[in-house]
Amino acid sequence: DAGVIQSPRHEVTEMGQEVTLRCKPISGHDYLFWYRQTMMRGLELLIYFNNNVPIDDSGMPEDRFSAKMPNASFSTLKIQPSEPRDSAVYFCASTGGTANEKLFFGSGTQLSVL
Amino acid sequence: SQQGEEDPQALSIQEGENATMNCSYKTSINNLQWYRQNSGRGLVHLILIRSNEREKHSGRLRVTLDTSKKSSSLLITASRAADTASYFCATDAHNYGQNFVFGPGTRLSVLP
Repeated sequence: DAGVIQSPRHEVTEMGQEVTLRCKPISGHDYLFWYRQTMMRGLELLIYFNNNVPIDDSGMPEDRFSAKMPNASFSTLKIQPSEPRDSAVYFCASTGGTANEKLFFGSGTQLSVL
Repeated sequence: SQQGEEDPQALSIQEGENATMNCSYKTSINNLQWYRQNSGRGLVHLILIRSNEREKHSGRLRVTLDTSKKSSSLLITASRAADTASYFCATDAHNYGQNFVFGPGTRLSVLP
């Protein structure tokens, strides 16, 4: 298996633009997580899905952030409009079985909002 | 506030020495996990210890868990330069539902 695949690897955009981050989880995993990592706040859970259904989105910063999982093999995290404070590394992770097992992380998307 | 807190924030040792990192957490857990993150990469799972276990080994890694003190430690023996990375503990905090809460991490530098 290729592991969790995220795209793009790097994204540079201007304030106010829409940004879409993509994730393909490991086949057979039924949990998908979106995390954001910054120096100041560390690794924060934004939202997670179980069987394509959002379970907990309490970590989503504000309405500018939205996430979807239209099928078991694809998820998106969208920021509209983007702001400089959204600059961070965004990670997608997946796991199979119960969520109390190990997470497999993608390589992340380095987002820079100018 | 974060469930897990690693200590120290940064650690610098010589190759061949042992490295010990600690993690404290606040609420009851089912398991605790340790992850490693190399610069510019995603996190990689190292080891999982369940709440009914006290110690676990995996190669040069040794993890202990003390649920009475709500703490865990990760020991890396005979460290190598390739062990240079950030190490995070993660807990399945019941207050947050079925997800993982990560601490701020310990930055380990192993000098050749």
